[in-house]
Amino acid sequence: DAKTTQPNSMESNEEEPVHLPCNHSTISGTDYIHWYRQLPSQGPEYVIHGLTSNVNNRMASLAIAEDRKSSTLILHRATLRDAAVYYCILSVNYGQNFVFGPGTRLSVLP
Amino acid sequence: DTEVTQTPKHLVMGMTNKKSLKCEQHMGHRAMYWYKQKAKKPPELMFVYSYEKLSINESVPSRFSPECPNSSLLNLHLHALQPEDSALYLCASRLTGVTGNTIYFGEGSWLTVV
Repeated sequence: DAKTTQPNSMESNEEEPVHLPCNHSTISGTDYIHWYRQLPSQGPEYVIHGLTSNVNNRMASLAIAEDRKSSTLILHRATLRDAAVYYCILSVNYGQNFVFGPGTRLSVLP
Repeated sequence: DTEVTQTPKHLVMGMTNKKSLKCEQHMGHRAMYWYKQKAKKPPELMFVYSYEKLSINESVPSRFSPECPNSSLLNLHLHALQPEDSALYLCASRLTGVTGNTIYFGEGSWLTVV
């Protein structure tokens, strides 16, 4: 089974960029990389996803290594509302199964 | 409208009770999921329904019984649960047909077994 590893926690100052890493060395060619975040007492919220190329949206950027064995979620300017647990997820079995990583708890300091 | 609705938000049940968790979406998604999340842990997949048929069962104990009565509804029937089954139960759905489609989660149902 494809697995992801993430740092347990990270800290950032408000309005500074944040780079959240994820390793997925056993990823297969059809597995997509997704990032979700979860606030306390809420369901996971979609952030961004990609297959091979780097991706940008209004929330974040996703940088995917050329060998696809790792990826980095980039929040360009962290705000206090970005404090959450960020999950790196692989969608396997042609997108049918979403396998969560352990998550990184991001703290944002004012 | 990208929304997955779960009811009830909170449920307390005894070990001999029978209860159900409900999930509803009207986005035309034909894949629906149940995840279980314990405190400070990532969600763990329990079941996947694809076109109203059970396609993945992650070796979940039989005291959890899923049901997909139609393309918009997903139920999780609970019977003879144990206190260690207390957790947040998350429902999710996904538009099928494209491998890269994302998954949409509901807010979850908090279950306490006493």
